[in-house]
Amino acid sequence: EVQLQESGPGLVKPSQSLSLTCSVTGYSITSNYWGWIRKFPGNKMEWMGYISYSGSTSYNPSLKSRISITRDTSKNQFFLQLNSVTTEDTATYYCAKKFLGWFAYWGQGTLVTVSS
Amino acid sequence: DIQMTQSPASLSASLGETVSIECLASEGISNDLAWYQQKSGKSPQLLIYAASRLQDGVPSRFSGSGSGTRYSLKISGMQPEDEADYFCQQSYKYPYTFGAGTKLELK
Repeated sequence: EVQLQESGPGLVKPSQSLSLTCSVTGYSITSNYWGWIRKFPGNKMEWMGYISYSGSTSYNPSLKSRISITRDTSKNQFFLQLNSVTTEDTATYYCAKKFLGWFAYWGQGTLVTVSS
Repeated sequence: DIQMTQSPASLSASLGETVSIECLASEGISNDLAWYQQKSGKSPQLLIYAASRLQDGVPSRFSGSGSGTRYSLKISGMQPEDEADYFCQQSYKYPYTFGAGTKLELK
């Protein structure tokens, strides 16, 4: 069964970059689509973007100038980088496997706090 | 962006009670709608996709319906393990967008 696990710093300073890794087991990231979703304090959820089986990407326009999703197929990992973070980027970040338009498999989530 | 208006924000149900949660899209989304359950401290779980298709392993007391702009999730017979937050999500257009969530508690 496919499993996803996020990892990365839990605390990032304002104006710096947030970098997270999603490690996938049980399924190759060279198949299907793999995305990042975040949940803000107060429960609002936001789809951030995805990387496809071929390495192509799609991003939420609200983040387009700050976000990058890349991958390392040799390690079966994909990555999120979000630049110039502010306190409004404080959220729980999830990686997930996209099937058609849905997210059937999720990581456990990692809380990232942006604070000086 | 397509706005997803979810209601109610919270509700309380008794054991065995039937519960309904609704999502209203700001434009037609052609059944491209999913429902998720998120228990406290856990990651979201896909319950329903394509508006009415039950994800494998999800109890049959969960069902989805709707069309056009209006969709609903029904729980036929509230169980203690159904206490959770519920979200809808549209995939008709990018960017995908979510409802604000419904907190369901056992009365």
